[in-house]
Amino acid sequence: AAGVIQSPRHLIKEKRETATLKCYPIPRHDTVYWYQQGPGQDPQFLISFYEKMQSDKGSIPDRFSAQQFSDYHSELNMSSLELGDSALYFCASSRDYRTGKEDTQYFGPGTRLTVL
Amino acid sequence: AQSVTQLGSHVSVSEGALVLLRCNYSSSVPPYLFWYVQYPNQGLQLLLKYTSAATLVKGINGFEAEFKKSETSFHLTKPSAHMSDAAEYFCVVSEIGGYNKLIFGAGTRLAVHP
Repeated sequence: AAGVIQSPRHLIKEKRETATLKCYPIPRHDTVYWYQQGPGQDPQFLISFYEKMQSDKGSIPDRFSAQQFSDYHSELNMSSLELGDSALYFCASSRDYRTGKEDTQYFGPGTRLTVL
Repeated sequence: AQSVTQLGSHVSVSEGALVLLRCNYSSSVPPYLFWYVQYPNQGLQLLLKYTSAATLVKGINGFEAEFKKSETSFHLTKPSAHMSDAAEYFCVVSEIGGYNKLIFGAGTRLAVHP
């Protein structure tokens, strides 16, 4: 079965540079979520989108922005990178969460960002 | 605010022994609960999920978890550990009627010894 695709898998940047992470959800999934997992930490919710609109926002720095496109893929844009941004960034996708029923989030393999 | 607490950041068992990973949740309404597993240098894989249909939930790889409302617990068990079970396990909560964001516990690293 098709899974969530994230690219790139690894990314190395210098401080103050910018980075763009991409996420391609499972076919027919219309909701995308981004999570950040720092070294030795649990994943923290950043932001989510449903039908190209932001649906929820977590602890996402103002230096970060994200969007969902008409084909449902999403991009996380990170500017003025700091050393503390080094982490594993996960994307997850699900079907429409608005039905009131749980809809399982399926995670991609993650993008490991290293800021030097 | 919802949260989950995993008791024990590290658990070590012998191969063939019972695996018990503890999780307690805090929620004003019955939540949806999940266990995800993360193998070294890999992504997050869903083990099982509780959505109020049944209190005993069976997942993949022989794992199961029991939802106990009176104890606000959702402990993960496996009767017989295998070396391949060594991984990080996360207990996760999602708010019903919310925006479906997941709130992770701190994780429990399971080590399995021969």
